[in-house]
Amino acid sequence: EAQVTQNPRYLITVTGKKLTVTCSQNMNHEYMSWYRQDPGLGLRQIYYSMNVEVTDKGDVPEGYKVSRKEKRNFPLILESPSPNQTSLYFCASSFGGSDQPQHFGDGTRLSIL
Amino acid sequence: LAKTTQPISMDSYEGQEVNITCSHNNIATNDYITWYQQFPSQGPRFIIQGYKTKVTNEVASLFIPADRKSSTLSLPRVSLSDTAVYYCLVGALYTGGFKTIFGAGTRLFVKA
Repeated sequence: EAQVTQNPRYLITVTGKKLTVTCSQNMNHEYMSWYRQDPGLGLRQIYYSMNVEVTDKGDVPEGYKVSRKEKRNFPLILESPSPNQTSLYFCASSFGGSDQPQHFGDGTRLSIL
Repeated sequence: LAKTTQPISMDSYEGQEVNITCSHNNIATNDYITWYQQFPSQGPRFIIQGYKTKVTNEVASLFIPADRKSSTLSLPRVSLSDTAVYYCLVGALYTGGFKTIFGAGTRLFVKA
């Protein structure tokens, strides 16, 4: 089954404790993105990747890091999480550019205390 | 990058046609327009995509006027299960980049 898998689905942690949210897709997609979703703000792109070792900033990259060492994986790293990063996070992948639909994971709900 | 504007919410009744309009005044030549549906606690799901004129699939139609500064998602004969948030997305592959911008979404509530 074609899917985008995020882990963990839920996490409560404390300020400053490094965490990684993993994202894996099994569709051999070139493009992957991370979004955060906050009430009233819709989805905002954090980072995206167009291929292995090619990543770039989206609209709200501050406080986040990403890496793309393999085509299927695109982890999101919070080196020093802060409460304002409490949010619902989605990973997405697509075969091509804007003419291809994005496939989203089920989301990761992070709470930073 | 083109930003989008949508109504915050809409109400409808089962069996009616629903039209949700998205404004994207600064759309670029190579931007596509994509609509997604999102249920609570789930990731967005692709509905339909278009570049110009009209596109129709098994669940919706997308109308795009010649100037492409707006688009309208049309859902025929909605049911209670169509209650969701609908996002209009304008994005493109730029040289060296792939930024995408979602609007705040339109919350559609379908009543019996």
